[in-house]
Amino acid sequence: DGGITQSPKYLFRKEGQNVTLSCEQNLNHDAMYWYRQDPGQGLRLIYYSQIVNDFQKGDIAEGYSVSREKKESFPLTVTSAQKNPTAFYLCASSTGHRGETQYFGPGTRLLVL
Amino acid sequence: AQSVTQLDSQVPVFEEAPVELRCNYSSSVSVYLFWYVQYPNQGLQLLLKYLSGSTLVKGINGFEAEFNKSQTSFHLRKPSVHISDTAEYFCAVWDTGRRALTFGSGTRLQVQP
Repeated sequence: DGGITQSPKYLFRKEGQNVTLSCEQNLNHDAMYWYRQDPGQGLRLIYYSQIVNDFQKGDIAEGYSVSREKKESFPLTVTSAQKNPTAFYLCASSTGHRGETQYFGPGTRLLVL
Repeated sequence: AQSVTQLDSQVPVFEEAPVELRCNYSSSVSVYLFWYVQYPNQGLQLLLKYLSGSTLVKGINGFEAEFNKSQTSFHLRKPSVHISDTAEYFCAVWDTGRRALTFGSGTRLQVQP
């Protein structure tokens, strides 16, 4: 059954701690994306990757880091430099071609203790 | 960079009434437009998209949207809503530079019995 999985569903972060959100896809897509969702602000692009071993900053990359060592995986690390990390994080993938649909995972809700 | 504006943050409507959710985009030579739906605490699901051709696009769950180039709009419509249509709806445009979607701020559709 093809799709995108994100784990965990809920994640709690303590002050000064780095946490990593997992995103895996088995759609054989080249492009993967991370969005942050806050109430009333829609989805904002954090990082994106069009191909393995390459990624670019989106609109709100500060305090986040990513890696793309495998085609199917695009983990997002929320570092201690991100002062307001509480949000819903969504991972997506697509072929990367113009106009192609982006498919989304179920999301991870990050909360600060 | 291309952008979209969703004019209404919330739209309350009674069951079986028609509804229109408004979306305007920044003008561009060619534009690819999308509508996504998000149910509570879930990822996004594609409703429909416009790439080219007929300006009236039909999607899932009885939704349709009309691409209007002169008014730079892509409004979403449904002739008769159900309680189950209660969700948040996002308009998005394909950003040709970043090869990623740029989303509007979302419209919360609240269907009342």
